[in-house]
Amino acid sequence: AQSVTQPDIHITVSEGASLELRCNYSYGATPYLFWYVQSPGQGLQLLLKYFSGDTLVQGIKGFEAEFKRSQSSFNLRKPSVHWSDAAEYFCAATNTNAGKSTFGDGTTLTVKP
Amino acid sequence: KAGVTQTPRYLIKTRGQQVTLSCSPISGHRSVSWYQQTPGQGLQFLFEYFSETQRNKGNFPGRFSGRQFSNSRSEMNVSTLELGDSALYLCASSSTPTSTDTQYFGPGTRLTVL
Repeated sequence: AQSVTQPDIHITVSEGASLELRCNYSYGATPYLFWYVQSPGQGLQLLLKYFSGDTLVQGIKGFEAEFKRSQSSFNLRKPSVHWSDAAEYFCAATNTNAGKSTFGDGTTLTVKP
Repeated sequence: KAGVTQTPRYLIKTRGQQVTLSCSPISGHRSVSWYQQTPGQGLQFLFEYFSETQRNKGNFPGRFSGRQFSNSRSEMNVSTLELGDSALYLCASSSTPTSTDTQYFGPGTRLTVL
């Protein structure tokens, strides 16, 4: 069965520190991969997406993600976290339609001052 | 350009009732998807519509249904509500159902079933 796993339920980092959120997928073929962010009371906002080509993808708000086929991973990174980055982050994948994505369970990011 | 709008934003119902949620996609978008988000199950795909046709359906009972109108607005209906239907229901729109099209999410409708 197709699945997306985010191993870390909750991560706490200090403001200004670097961040890495993990995502692993299990699909028959390499899917399209996405990272979304959800702030309290809000819908999901797309941070970045990977379809093919360069395995390092740049997104909005200073985020980037690296696709590693050998590890079936698509980890999200940010060099220096800001307090406003505190939110829940979801990794998602699809190989059929944009609207039929499989989501991970999410990672809640807390930023310490 | 206005984003995806969902109405109502909050809803309280009792078991056994039915509910209809509405989603207006971004102007020009013809694909609408619905997701259920709960603390226990996370984000789960409900259905996807394109040009008034349901293209995909998730693993939900028949009590969950939806439709899309000619103006691309979509509604989802849940009949005979159960306590477990309490969730945030998210709608997302994209230009087409193509996998590479970006989905834009609305703020959701928070449904509480008492």
